[in-house]
Amino acid sequence: NAGVTQTPKFQVLKTGQSMTLQCAQDMNHEYMSWYRQDPGMGLRLIHYSVGAGITDQGEVPNGYNVSRSTTEDFPLRLLSAAPSQTSVYFCASRATGTGANEQFFGPGTRLTVL
Amino acid sequence: QQPVQSPQAVILREGEDAVINCSSSKALYSVHWYRQKHGEAPVFLMILLKGGEQKGHEKISASFNEKKQQSSLYLTASQLSYSGTYFCGTEMRGGSNYKLTFGKGTLLTVNP
Repeated sequence: NAGVTQTPKFQVLKTGQSMTLQCAQDMNHEYMSWYRQDPGMGLRLIHYSVGAGITDQGEVPNGYNVSRSTTEDFPLRLLSAAPSQTSVYFCASRATGTGANEQFFGPGTRLTVL
Repeated sequence: QQPVQSPQAVILREGEDAVINCSSSKALYSVHWYRQKHGEAPVFLMILLKGGEQKGHEKISASFNEKKQQSSLYLTASQLSYSGTYFCGTEMRGGSNYKLTFGKGTLLTVNP
């Protein structure tokens, strides 16, 4: 199992450009989510999905869009990048159902917006 | 609704003990603990589901006081490899299941 994979690992954008951060998991997890991490702020939830075709907003959704057409993939789109979106982005997935299920994180994408 | 972690940072000498606390103002369903090394993704340590439940991972253990909505992570006889930032993630009762909200983290430094 590859687990949770993210591409690219690094990206530099100019203000106003758009891009998509890719996330995929091969564990058949229904729940997937996106976090951003900024110094001193911890991990803040951007968007999440409880299954294909179902998405919802987290704590900091402004400026980001998501879609979930398959169980495996959960891309994050920046429509018009701003310097405030400079951050490290982590995708995560988790099994659903009863019991205690750990959340698995991808390796992260480090994004810089100039 | 972000859980509050304390302390923000702690410095230890190898072999010393530490306690990291996590508290929430909302009723919790579960508490998760993660450790993150610099430049890496968070790594899962343990989950606590029930009030009063304690879990252990090597010399790292945790407790969950459901009534107080608090969890504590105990690191005993610390090793250099314990250095990193520790995050608690909380899952609330009645909210969207599976959604984890993380605290701002506690930076732990273990020196020789």
